[in-house]
Amino acid sequence: DAKTTQPNSMESNEEEPVHLPCNHSTISGTDYIHWYRQLPSQGPEYVIHGLTSNVNNRMASLAIAEDRKSSTLILHRATLRDAAVYYCILGFLGGNNRLAFGKGNQVVVIP
Amino acid sequence: EPEVTQTPSHQVTQMGQEVILRCVPISNHLYFYWYRQILGQKVEFLVSFYNNEISEKSEIFDDQFSVERPDGSNFTLKIRSTKLEDSAMYFCASKYGGDQPQHFGDGTRLSIL
Repeated sequence: DAKTTQPNSMESNEEEPVHLPCNHSTISGTDYIHWYRQLPSQGPEYVIHGLTSNVNNRMASLAIAEDRKSSTLILHRATLRDAAVYYCILGFLGGNNRLAFGKGNQVVVIP
Repeated sequence: EPEVTQTPSHQVTQMGQEVILRCVPISNHLYFYWYRQILGQKVEFLVSFYNNEISEKSEIFDDQFSVERPDGSNFTLKIRSTKLEDSAMYFCASKYGGDQPQHFGDGTRLSIL
């Protein structure tokens, strides 16, 4: 599995944007960038995924560097409910692809 | 919104006993997964299942583990003879198609005594 590097933890103020970085210098051409998050005492939850272009959905935006060696998950306005461990995962999208979780980035939202 | 349902939420079992963890995936989904998370550690892939057979399994998924989709709605994980190190949260996941994200249940906490 291609490796990703994320900060261990980050703090953010409520109602402000949050930028979560992820480095993946060994990404292959077929690797998608997937983001999941895990709220306390819950299973992982899909956030967003992308290949080359920036992506937006109702939860977040994903900005992908032109060389694809890094990406940034953007939460536009942090709420207390966004406090979670965020995982940046590389992998093939199709078929029965398994997800290879790392340690993730623990995001703390300060009221 | 449809969700993946896992039962029980907490299972306590004596070492050496068999345990079955149950999952009801989202109804029209075709791909099914089990993951586990030992307390304080990463979420680890165990097995994927498609078209009524195992597609991929990890090193963790040894002969003590098995999966089954006995009917059109349930997906089960069986551990034949549990060990202390099997204590973990077990997550079931499913997805509709190859290019869709995986949806996870909230897990079963398995405690082996």
